[in-house]
Amino acid sequence: QTVVTQEPSLTVSPGGTVTLTCASSTGEVTSGFYPNWFQQKPGQAPRALIYSTSNKHPWTPARFSGSLLGGKAALTLSGVQPEDEAEYYCLLYYGGAQLGVFGGGTKLTVL
Amino acid sequence: EVQLVQSGAEVKKPGESLKISCKGSGYNFPGYWIGWVRQMPGKGLEWMGIIYPGDSDARYSPSFEGQVTISADKFINTAYLQWSSLKASDTAIYYCARRIREHYSRGWTHQYNYGLDVWGQGTTVTVSS
Repeated sequence: QTVVTQEPSLTVSPGGTVTLTCASSTGEVTSGFYPNWFQQKPGQAPRALIYSTSNKHPWTPARFSGSLLGGKAALTLSGVQPEDEAEYYCLLYYGGAQLGVFGGGTKLTVL
Repeated sequence: EVQLVQSGAEVKKPGESLKISCKGSGYNFPGYWIGWVRQMPGKGLEWMGIIYPGDSDARYSPSFEGQVTISADKFINTAYLQWSSLKASDTAIYYCARRIREHYSRGWTHQYNYGLDVWGQGTTVTVSS
């Protein structure tokens, strides 16, 4: 059973920078896992932010960026805004993008 | 505008059957895979499976294989998720989402980007006696 691991919670100050990571139990995360990142606020459906490591959707704010860092996928928020407080999920694809596994989510607090 | 609109909330008893739907609009529905995602109360997202409406090719996460059936009708731009016998543990919000695939060339090789972009609003399923 493949497990995808994220930090359970992180806290950042408004205007600051924070990096969330996403690790695979199978080993190093590479671009072949096509890492995706999603934001979910209470009572709302998830919203897509990043796909295939670093590609942004048309609606993704410029302060969000994706990368690979130290064998993991990473989501960096620069110049954090109060409205960025949310749960963030990563998704890794296995088996040719037909099987996905979500991470457990990171609760980001802006304080 | 690309949209996925899901069917309304359901309240069912254990042992009952259920089929929920996800209707796409604003794009070539048969040509994009549709994924289904579960979110149990207060918990994270779980990948259930994915279907290509063009030929109804469906793939399941091992955790959900045999527990649900994913289907699609390309003629009415709709994907479905169904249960034959619900359990209390099926209580959750179920989301559908479109999977995109972007082709690009790098030198002589063909590469792809993959992502879930547009999501449905979710269908709440409550199973209780």
